[in-house]
Amino acid sequence: AQKVTQAQTEISVVEKEDVTLDCVYETRDTTYYLFWYKQPPSGELVFLIRRNSFDEQNEISGRYSWNFQKSTSSFNFTITASQVVDSAVYFCALTPLVFGKGTRLSVIA
Amino acid sequence: GAGVSQSPSNKVTEKGKDVELRCDPISGHTALYWYRQSLGQGLEFLIYFQGNSAPDKSGLPSDRFSAERTGGSVSTLTIQRTQQEDSAVYLCASSLESRRQPGAGGYTFGSGTRLTVV
Repeated sequence: AQKVTQAQTEISVVEKEDVTLDCVYETRDTTYYLFWYKQPPSGELVFLIRRNSFDEQNEISGRYSWNFQKSTSSFNFTITASQVVDSAVYFCALTPLVFGKGTRLSVIA
Repeated sequence: GAGVSQSPSNKVTEKGKDVELRCDPISGHTALYWYRQSLGQGLEFLIYFQGNSAPDKSGLPSDRFSAERTGGSVSTLTIQRTQQEDSAVYLCASSLESRRQPGAGGYTFGSGTRLTVV
């Protein structure tokens, strides 16, 4: 069965700190996609990244970076120099259709 | 439209009443999903529509829940005889993808309908 585990329920950091959100998944599929979504206080889910299971290259987008390690079934998300606007719930997801329970990130000024 | 539109944004209903939640996906998106998010919880898959294929209803929690998608576009999620445990935010998402890999196209989510059953 598919499963996504986000062990960190809540994280609180001071602005400008780096923070890593963990995501561990389980699947028997050989081909799958992993995602990260952001849910700010407004409630709408915002797509951040999609990663194909065959592509283990790490990705950086501005202050965001993602570390995909198939050997440990992990797809971790790092925010560098965090800002108050990064405060949100972040969800990791796995095809088909499985989301983790989310990590609530609070960035304090 | 430019995004996924859901209505109403908030709905308060009495226990035992039926409710209908509407989702208008992005024009041209073939796939449409309904998820439920209870307070402090992750997203729980409910139902998935892809083109003209039979929907994947495997996530519907009981036979009080049903959904349809007319003309491959707008979808309505109906909850009959609502219970207090149905209180949650109901999220709709659409995607441009093939049925062979649900979710692979990435979702665009609506803002959700917050349902409160009193």
